[in-house]
Amino acid sequence: AQKITQTQPGMFVQEKEAVTLDCTYDTSDQSYGLFWYKQPSSGEMIFLIYQGSYDEQNATEGRYSLNFQKARKSANLVISASQLGDSAMYFCAIRSPDGNEKLTFGTGTRLTIIP
Amino acid sequence: DVKVTQSSRYLVKRTGEKVFLECVQDMDHENMFWYRQDPGLGLRLIYFSYDVKMKEKGDIPEGYSVSREKKERFSLILESASTNQTSMYLCASSQIYWDRTNQPQHFGDGTRLSIL
Repeated sequence: AQKITQTQPGMFVQEKEAVTLDCTYDTSDQSYGLFWYKQPSSGEMIFLIYQGSYDEQNATEGRYSLNFQKARKSANLVISASQLGDSAMYFCAIRSPDGNEKLTFGTGTRLTIIP
Repeated sequence: DVKVTQSSRYLVKRTGEKVFLECVQDMDHENMFWYRQDPGLGLRLIYFSYDVKMKEKGDIPEGYSVSREKKERFSLILESASTNQTSMYLCASSQIYWDRTNQPQHFGDGTRLSIL
């Protein structure tokens, strides 16, 4: 069974600062994918970034980057120059390798950006 | 852009009622999923389907059933609603990519269901 652990239930960060959201995972599979989603208060889940287990470089998408440390089973999301619109719930997820594309989610981190 | 549409944003039902939550996607995706989201528990998979008329149980299928008669539509059914099924329900869809590329699941806006 796969598992995602997000140990930060909530975080408060000053606007324009960088923020790191922690994610550790547990899997016995060699091939897997890691995803980060953002959920604003309106409820929709927005895909942010993906990291494959065989990707040699850390994924980046605009202000989002993923600090992938495979040996430590860690996939932290880094948001640079935070903005008020970054206030939301953030979920880390791992994809099952069995071809059915199932995701296992963590419990999430509520990020609040302070002006 | 992929569009996943859930029939209701908010729904209030009574215990014992049969409840239908509908989800439609417009990108011809093979896979469709139903999750429920509760504070402190994240998203938990109820059921998923990888083809028409095919379904598989997720982590918490008890009290739920699903129907997929057409590729674009995936329905979640609460056979006899109970108060512990009050929750946020999220539908998602994805393409099958056998080469393991970075295709995410695309989510609808969610349905906040209250069972009184």
